[in-house]
Amino acid sequence: AQKITQTQPGMFVQEKEAVTLDCTYDTSDQSYGLFWYKQPSSGEMIFLIYQGSYDEQNATEGRYSLNFQKARKSANLVISASQLGDSAMYFCAMREGNTGGFKTIFGAGTRLFVKA
Amino acid sequence: GAVVSQHPSRVICKSGTSVKIECRSLDFQATTMFWYRQFPKKSLMLMATSNEGSKATYEQGVEKDKFLINHASLTLSTLTVTSAHPEDSSFYICSAREIGETQYFGPGTRLLVL
Repeated sequence: AQKITQTQPGMFVQEKEAVTLDCTYDTSDQSYGLFWYKQPSSGEMIFLIYQGSYDEQNATEGRYSLNFQKARKSANLVISASQLGDSAMYFCAMREGNTGGFKTIFGAGTRLFVKA
Repeated sequence: GAVVSQHPSRVICKSGTSVKIECRSLDFQATTMFWYRQFPKKSLMLMATSNEGSKATYEQGVEKDKFLINHASLTLSTLTVTSAHPEDSSFYICSAREIGETQYFGPGTRLLVL
């Protein structure tokens, strides 16, 4: 069964506008972590933001914020004031398990295109 | 942020040969390292998790005899693709975790098997 679902294969946004990338997840663990990574065309994976399942506040990192709705099992990424350099593939990921043995699994990704 | 390197960045080899890919954490000790495989325009697929000094834990469907993982030290893990075939051609990415939640990724290795 799909654990991480990103329903938007591609998204367009105008430069300087905000954009929301959707992510829903499925887990029976009480303790888990949610991540967003950016992958430009070079292939490197760049860590953007992290949200723990017990964190009550939504995570923010500069222009990135994570809209965490635990009851809905969603962890959408919001990018404010989009820049041309934001054009890339974005992956939502979830860490399951405990510190003794956990693994991180990834969603299918959303390709973001920022228009000038 | 923490730096993870991979070597080589690209490799082309003949079918039937073995290829070794190194993953190093440069400025931290990685308690756990992960190996992923990514097909073009697809997501990352976790292949295995390795902890220093112990055997790797492979994901279902990943052949452990095909993809040998050695995590010899807290800063080095290697993935050896044995008797590589064209279907093994892919983008292989490692990541390393210190203590805490964040995994830091290497730049990836593009393998092409002719």
